[in-house]
Amino acid sequence: DVQLVESGGGLVQPGGSLRLSCEASGFTFSGYWMSWVRQAPGRGLEWVANIKQDGSEEYYVDSVEGRFTISRDNAKNSVYLQMNSLRADDTAVYYCARDGGGWTYWGQGTLVTVSS
Amino acid sequence: DIVMTQFPDSLAVSLGERATINCKSSQNILFSSNNKSYLAWYQQRLGQPPKLLIYWASTRESGVPDRFSGSGSATDFTLTISSLQAEDVAVYYCQQYYSTPYTFGQGTKLEIK
Repeated sequence: DVQLVESGGGLVQPGGSLRLSCEASGFTFSGYWMSWVRQAPGRGLEWVANIKQDGSEEYYVDSVEGRFTISRDNAKNSVYLQMNSLRADDTAVYYCARDGGGWTYWGQGTLVTVSS
Repeated sequence: DIVMTQFPDSLAVSLGERATINCKSSQNILFSSNNKSYLAWYQQRLGQPPKLLIYWASTRESGVPDRFSGSGSATDFTLTISSLQAEDVAVYYCQQYYSTPYTFGQGTKLEIK
């Protein structure tokens, strides 16, 4: 079975950093683009970033450009989101998802809270 | 950026009745070379990640009940639930995956009347 398991969330002060991880299993990880999507409390879904199969291309939503970096390690079947200069409005549940024609597979999410 | 607008924002339907949710994109998301609209529909129950229902605007995901159907092309799309069941209470999102930044509609909250 396909599984995506996020980790690394927690409470961080404004201006701080956090690194999220997503470990994949049950499919050929190196064959797929991967995305991070977030959902602020009580709000809708917002795509954050994605990365190509070999890591050679990355794309970001404007609100995180220059602060967040997506990366992957195909040997470890993992995708990461390095988040710097965190702000209160980055508070959300962060999901990783496998890209495709429609995103079938999502993790359960990890909560990031930015607060002093 | 492509803006996705859903309507209505909320909807209350009686059990067994039809529910219809609409989604409009600010740009054409039909790719002419394959004649596919890059539009998906998701269901999100409380406390759960989104679940894919429909992709390519009208292709039902494996395992999704056939009471769920998607239609539309280019800029105007519809998700229809033909006979509402209690387990369909959720928030529904449309999403374009035509170009980054991929964008979602604001969501439609579906309740039982």
